[in-house]
Amino acid sequence: EPEVTQTPSHQVTQMGQEVILRCVPISNHLYFYWYRQILGQKVEFLVSFYNNEISEKSEIFDDQFSVERPDGSNFTLKIRSTKLEDSAMYFCASSEVSTMNTGELFFGEGSRLTVL
Amino acid sequence: AQSVTQPDIHITVSEGASLELRCNYSYGATPYLFWYVQSPGQGLQLLLKYFSGDTLVQGIKGFEAEFKRSQSSFNLRKPSVHWSDAAEYFCAVAPRGGNKLVFGAGTILRVKS
Repeated sequence: EPEVTQTPSHQVTQMGQEVILRCVPISNHLYFYWYRQILGQKVEFLVSFYNNEISEKSEIFDDQFSVERPDGSNFTLKIRSTKLEDSAMYFCASSEVSTMNTGELFFGEGSRLTVL
Repeated sequence: AQSVTQPDIHITVSEGASLELRCNYSYGATPYLFWYVQSPGQGLQLLLKYFSGDTLVQGIKGFEAEFKRSQSSFNLRKPSVHWSDAAEYFCAVAPRGGNKLVFGAGTILRVKS
């Protein structure tokens, strides 16, 4: 069964360092998403990406964050200068069509980021 | 304000007992409705979804959910819980015309033998 894969599963970094989280969405999917879950809190939407551009982003997704599809298979989330409050589980998701068109999201297992 | 509410933070049930997890939403128009499960150290797995039509939807692992428009609810049920069902369960909505999922706070299910 096709699945969304994420690397690394866990990353520890120092405050102020750049972090790149990687995702390989399901191959025929067109929409890509990043969500995050701070420990003990809700899963929150960060950004959606379609046709090589951001289609929607939340207020959390400020200038410190960026997303990229550098090649035909990877989808990355970059945090330019990490802060303590960026510590969270980051989930990548993909869908064949957008949720606006009743697309079902398939989530990866998450990348846990710990900022010290 | 638009919101998704899961009023129970923790629920403990005995193995073999029935289960109902509550979810209420507050949106102008009925959104698309989902239940996801997250086992420890795992990602989010879709249990079931409601878009339209029959208000009782069947999902994987023996779960079902009933959409009640009058109560703005989408409660998840299972007639007989297994120890492997212990996990955190998230209700989520996708507003019609939107492009993202909005999650509830989650309900942690504990199963006692």
